[in-house]
Amino acid sequence: GEDVEQSLFLSVREGDSSVINCTYTDSSSTYLYWYKQEPGAGLQLLTYIFSNMDMKQDQRLTVLLNKKDKHLSLRIADTQTGDSAIYFCAESGGSGGYQKVTFGTGTKLQVIP
Amino acid sequence: ETGVTQSPTHLIKTRGQQVTLRCSSQSGHNTVSWYQQALGQGPQFIFQYYREEENGRGNFPPRFSGLQFPNYSSELNVNALELDDSALYLCASSAQQRGGRETQYFGPGTRLLVL
Repeated sequence: GEDVEQSLFLSVREGDSSVINCTYTDSSSTYLYWYKQEPGAGLQLLTYIFSNMDMKQDQRLTVLLNKKDKHLSLRIADTQTGDSAIYFCAESGGSGGYQKVTFGTGTKLQVIP
Repeated sequence: ETGVTQSPTHLIKTRGQQVTLRCSSQSGHNTVSWYQQALGQGPQFIFQYYREEENGRGNFPPRFSGLQFPNYSSELNVNALELDDSALYLCASSAQQRGGRETQYFGPGTRLLVL
């Protein structure tokens, strides 16, 4: 079945870049996502990338996809204290005509002032 | 703000009871998916409804059931509640064609505590 793995924790200093990594197993994934979850809140879609793309940049966010290695990363430039949250990598797959999004366990990003 | 709303925001139930959670989709979206997020975990797919029919299901027992209404709002029902059902329940809406892969937008969730 589908599996998505992430490291559990990342700590960076304010102003530095953060890189959060993710690996996935489903080679038929069409979309790959990054979601942000702040304490006690739902999921906020940060960005997504089609599986036929290598890179996507959106302001401070850069997503890199290595489809051969099934590796996805999210780089946050100039990390701010407001970026402290849990970041979920997710892949969109599913068969039988429906879409199922499989999430990793999340990476907790701590930004040190 | 995604335009997806859920109610209630918090709920406390006891073992064996039944619960109904509600979700209103973003305008123009015809598909609703439900997820369970246990503490410290990523969301787990429960099921998806497309145009009022269940369109796919994850590894959850039959006591988890749902409905989608003509206005595309949705309910998640859980019977015979167990302690392990305590979690954040998230719904997500999307505007997809059958077999499509449209982006899902999440609501803020309902936090359920089973005592």
